[in-house]
Order: sequence, then structure tokens, then C-alpha cells
Amino acid sequence: DQQVKQNSPSLSVQEGRISILNCDYTNSMFDYFLWYKKYPAEGPTFLISISSIKDKNEDGRFTVFLNKSAKHLSLHIVPSQPGDSAVYFCAASASGNTGKLIFGQGTTLQVKP
Amino acid sequence: DVKVTQSSRYLVKRTGEKVFLECVQDMDHENMFWYRQDPGLGLRLIYFSYDVKMKEKGDIPEGYSVSREKKERFSLILESASTNQTSMYLCASGLTSGVEETQYFGPGTRLLVL
Repeated sequence: DQQVKQNSPSLSVQEGRISILNCDYTNSMFDYFLWYKKYPAEGPTFLISISSIKDKNEDGRFTVFLNKSAKHLSLHIVPSQPGDSAVYFCAASASGNTGKLIFGQGTTLQVKP
Repeated sequence: DVKVTQSSRYLVKRTGEKVFLECVQDMDHENMFWYRQDPGLGLRLIYFSYDVKMKEKGDIPEGYSVSREKKERFSLILESASTNQTSMYLCASGLTSGVEETQYFGPGTRLLVL
């Protein structure tokens, strides 16, 4: 039972354009959502997060949007750069759940120069 | 800056061997986690610990055990390694701040079981 799903295994965009990575969840108890970025042979690094009391959070080129009614979140990268090429994981947690994160399967982003 | 280190980047072991993976964090975090990452499956939680000598099973604990004797150190043990345990193993630590829990990851150990 996959509670957090990233239905697109891969995405390819041109440098300078927008990258949109999507994530769906099924558990309505989730109240905090995160995006991690992972390069090959390295551990994931935290990118950006959003709590359920917000619908948008921005950090430089990265914006996360949360649609609670649709149980959907998305990560927008504008403008995309070749260095953004990596695997992106979304994750979710529910307060009071001893800090456990539930991760999606990941989306591999390729940004072409 | 949070630092999570793992004892090995690459390991090659034989079927049936006992394998120890060590993880150390320097931020005094209560929570520590072990995941494995496999293509198309994302990160799956093996075990986690929210305090010294405390442990909880994650989603895929079979074939693994853990030890947390000190707050900064969390070890994953493969009692008898099998080929289906070939994977990337990731350790993470985190500080529960009420609602918002962010985990910080080590560089990973790529384990090959022959």
C-alpha cells in the first residue's frame, strides 16, 4: 500500500524552462511534506518543505505547492539548470508519528543544456 | 551543519556473512533511521530509534536487526546476508520539533552480497 506516490519515474526538460515534479498521497493524517534531492552515490539532501497549514512555500528557484483537497503536491523549479539533474523524492509525515517519513518512489529529472 | 557519517561507502560480502553498518550523527538528534533504496521502490524504512536502547520496526525489518547503545550511533546488522539484501543503505537522523520533522541523511553504503 503506497501511501505516497510519484507516478512519473522520469522527466526531461530543457535548461531554463520550468520543471514540475508531482506527488500524490492517500493518508489524510499527513501534515508535513518534504522534497529531497539525490545525486548518484550520495545520500538525499533536504530541499524544501511545507506544512499543511500552507498551500505554497518558496525558496529561491524552488516552490512547493500543496493541494490538500486533492492530496497532491508539486515541486516547481524555475529556471531549471543542468545541475538540478538528480532523483527527487517527496516525503510525508503525520505529527505524533515519532518522526517517521513516508517516501515516494522518486522521479529522475534530467535537465538538458 | 548536520553531519551524518556512515562507516563504509562500498561493501562486498558473501552470502551468510554477518554484516555491520555503522552510522554516527553529531547533532544530538533523538531519532535515527535506517532505509534501503532500490530502483523504482524509493526509500523503505527498515528500523528506527527514538532514544538510546529503543528501537522500532519499520516497513521491511525482516533479516535485519539494530543496536543503539549511544545517542549518536545507530548500527544496522544483517545477521546472515543474502543476495536480496544487495542495495544502497541510507542512515538518517532527525529532531522531532512537534509537527515538522526533517531528516538528514548520510552518504549511503552500497552493499553487494555475492
